[in-house]
Amino acid sequence: EDQVTQSPEALRLQEGESSSLNCSYTVSGLRGLFWYRQDPGKGPEFLFTLYSAGEEKEKERLKATLTKKESFLHITAPKPEDSATYLCAVKGQAGTALIFGKGTTLSVSS
Amino acid sequence: EAGVTQFPSHSVIEKGQTVTLRCDPISGHDNLYWYRRVMGKEIKFLLHFVKESKQDESGMPNNRFLAERTGGTYSTLKVQPAELEDSGVYFCASSHQTPSDEQYFGPGTRLTVT
Repeated sequence: EDQVTQSPEALRLQEGESSSLNCSYTVSGLRGLFWYRQDPGKGPEFLFTLYSAGEEKEKERLKATLTKKESFLHITAPKPEDSATYLCAVKGQAGTALIFGKGTTLSVSS
Repeated sequence: EAGVTQFPSHSVIEKGQTVTLRCDPISGHDNLYWYRRVMGKEIKFLLHFVKESKQDESGMPNNRFLAERTGGTYSTLKVQPAELEDSGVYFCASSHQTPSDEQYFGPGTRLTVT
């Protein structure tokens, strides 16, 4: 069964304190791993898609990496506006649906 | 470019009543998806349209849920009759031509069944 597990569930950082969020997955035939950001009361906002092990993508203070079993979302020198829930999802060979993890809620204080 | 829109943003109904949720995808997106997040759980897939056709409805929980996509444009999701366990946030997403494309989500409809 395709599955996504994110850790930690919650993360509190001081402004400027870099860290990483983990997304472990099991899927039959990975067709894409997706990172989304979700603010309270809003829908998930697309950040990155990764397709193969070794691939990396960056956007401002965020960098996503992918291995055969997990993905990391590295946050460098975070700011309070980076506070949000970060969701990881995969798409497998079986279909077109995204399979989501429960997310990591990040709080960055100044 | 306008994003995915959903209506209403919030609906409170009593058990046994009917509710219809609407989703307008990004213009030109052939693929439209419905997802649901119940409290404390992850977002879960309900179904997928390609234009006006249902491509995959394996996530629909039961026959109280009916989804339509008129003319391949907007979509509606009807729950009839609603049960307490149907409460949650219903998200709509759309993607461009291929199912591999990234999906863009709407703000969601929060459904509360009392």
